Amino acid sequence: DVKVTQSSRYLVKRTGEKVFLECVQDMDHENMFWYRQDPGLGLRLIYFSYDVKMKEKGDIPEGYSVSREKKERFSLILESASTNQTSMYLCASGGGYTFGSGTRLTVV
Amino acid sequence: AQKVTQAQTEISVVEKEDVTLDCVYETRDTTYYLFWYKQPPSGELVFLIRRNSFDEQNEISGRYSWNFQKSTSSFNFTITASQVVDSAVYFCAHGSGNTGKLIFGQGTTLQVKP
Repeated sequence: DVKVTQSSRYLVKRTGEKVFLECVQDMDHENMFWYRQDPGLGLRLIYFSYDVKMKEKGDIPEGYSVSREKKERFSLILESASTNQTSMYLCASGGGYTFGSGTRLTVV
Repeated sequence: AQKVTQAQTEISVVEKEDVTLDCVYETRDTTYYLFWYKQPPSGELVFLIRRNSFDEQNEISGRYSWNFQKSTSSFNFTITASQVVDSAVYFCAHGSGNTGKLIFGQGTTLQVKP
């Protein structure tokens, strides 16, 4: 069964902390994506990557960065977490078929 | 720019009723894809269907059916004889080309009561 795995289901972090959200896929996909989901706004694309070490900004990249050192792993980084980054974060890979289970991040 | 609108924020029906979830999109792409996803309370986004812009054939899969009309830029989703297990948030999305990069609608929360 193909999978996109997000390392944490729930996270609570303090304002100003550096936060890493990890995503791993086992389908050898070139494309990987990070979205955030907020009520009433649907999912919005933060960053995506179409190859190792390649990245492109999505619609809401401010306050985030990403890292893709290996094809199967795509990390989302919050350099200095803020309360307005409290949200559900979803990782996806490939052509839109497969998403991870999501990480619900709370910044206090 | 692309945009997807799901005007229905919440829908509540009684089991066995039919229900249609609306999706309207805006795009300047010639080639694009439209998707529907289901998000149950567990949170995972479950892929339901993908249609490409050149294929306006309606599709039926069990109790689910989809009506794609380019003339009205709509891609509506109907659940026939709804069940409690259909309760979830449903998202419609637009994909440019085949990149996997998606623009989502706001989502429609469907509650099916026994």
